[in-house]
Amino acid sequence: KNQVEQSPQSLIILEGKNCTLQCNYTVSPFSNLRWYKQDTGRGPVSLTIMTFSENTKSNGRYTATLDADTKQSSLHITASQLSDSASYICVVSVRYTGANSKLTFGKGITLSVRP
Amino acid sequence: GAVVSQHPSWVICKSGTSVKIECRSLDFQATTMFWYRQFPKQSLMLMATSNEGSKATYEQGVEKDKFLINHASLTLSTLTVTSAHPEDSSFYICTTYRWGEAFFGQGTRLTVV
Repeated sequence: KNQVEQSPQSLIILEGKNCTLQCNYTVSPFSNLRWYKQDTGRGPVSLTIMTFSENTKSNGRYTATLDADTKQSSLHITASQLSDSASYICVVSVRYTGANSKLTFGKGITLSVRP
Repeated sequence: GAVVSQHPSWVICKSGTSVKIECRSLDFQATTMFWYRQFPKQSLMLMATSNEGSKATYEQGVEKDKFLINHASLTLSTLTVTSAHPEDSSFYICTTYRWGEAFFGQGTRLTVV
């Protein structure tokens, strides 16, 4: 069964500190992995997309890594800001032909950044 | 890019009434729509998966008779919260996918008073 597991479930850090969010998946055949940020009461926003051949990708203070061999991804947030408080969702796409590639969503990680 | 339009963005209703939330895919045909719910300070929780022309699949603990999902066409999926109660107050959001990318509706903030 295709699954996406995220950890920790929730995290509290102080402003300015770094943190790393984990995503493990059993999805196969793998196509790509996306990290989304979701502010409460708003739709998720894509942060990064990782394909099979990519190991690291950065988007400002966000850096995502992917190890396709171990089926693990991480999202590292540097110098956290209060506005980073949100849910972070890992979404893995299964490689199928055609438009309807199936997605498997993680349950998300709730990050709280305190002043 | 593909767009999913969700309406209403917020709604306040009286306890015991029903509320319908619509999600439309504007420029593509969405055969599958996922419905999520989010309580304050919690992550999105999958409620059900709807497929065009067939019955929705509900996650464990979600009452299918209370949360009616209809996916009668390839561009419209609806979620109806029947006999709403204050504990149903939450943020509801739909999402579908195309070419390996998820597209989210804007979300609906439901408040039951």
